[in-house]
Amino acid sequence: EVQLLESGGGLVQPGGSLRLSCAASGFTFNNYAMNWVRQAPGKGLDCVSAISGSGDSTYYADSVRGRFTISRDNSKNTLYLQMNSLRAEDTAVYYCAKAKGANWGSLSPDVFDIWGQGTMVTVSS
Amino acid sequence: EIVLTQSPATLSLSPGERATLSCRASQSVSNYLAWYQQKPGQAPRLLIYDASNRATGLPARFSGSGSGTDFTLTISSLEPEDFAVYYCQQRSNWGITFGQGTRLEIK
Repeated sequence: EVQLLESGGGLVQPGGSLRLSCAASGFTFNNYAMNWVRQAPGKGLDCVSAISGSGDSTYYADSVRGRFTISRDNSKNTLYLQMNSLRAEDTAVYYCAKAKGANWGSLSPDVFDIWGQGTMVTVSS
Repeated sequence: EIVLTQSPATLSLSPGERATLSCRASQSVSNYLAWYQQKPGQAPRLLIYDASNRATGLPARFSGSGSGTDFTLTISSLEPEDFAVYYCQQRSNWGITFGQGTRLEIK
């Protein structure tokens, strides 16, 4: 069964840091780009970061560029999101999501065919 | 940034009725438009990609159409499990964006 399982969310003060993880199973992890998509409480969806299957190419939304770092360990089938300098507006459920198209080397915008259950990040003093 | 505007914001229908949801892009996205369904407390689920292709296992009552800037998701005969929030998403370029959602509620 194809599965994504996020962890690492929690309550953090403004200016603090968190590291999210997403464990993947049931597919050839390094063949697919992976993404982080967040959803603020009661709001819509926002793609904040993506990484190619090889890990060599990355994308960041303007709202997180310079503060968040996406990475992956293909030997562990795990995706990460290091979040620094957190702000109240980063409060959201963070989902990891698999890109639909197999593409090891390059990073192209894609749709998301498999999603994790999400992990809640709350930034508040 | 490409803005996606969904209409209506809320659609109230009864089981068995036909649902038509709209998504309009601020500039052409070719056919790079997808639809997702989200139920309370759950992750989104991919329904339609590249405007009209059904995701694996999706019932045939769901269909998508459109190109350029105007897109439609149609549910031919609503089942009780179809009542949810629906989002469109464009992948025309980086700066992937989603619409604000249409809530499909039971009348």
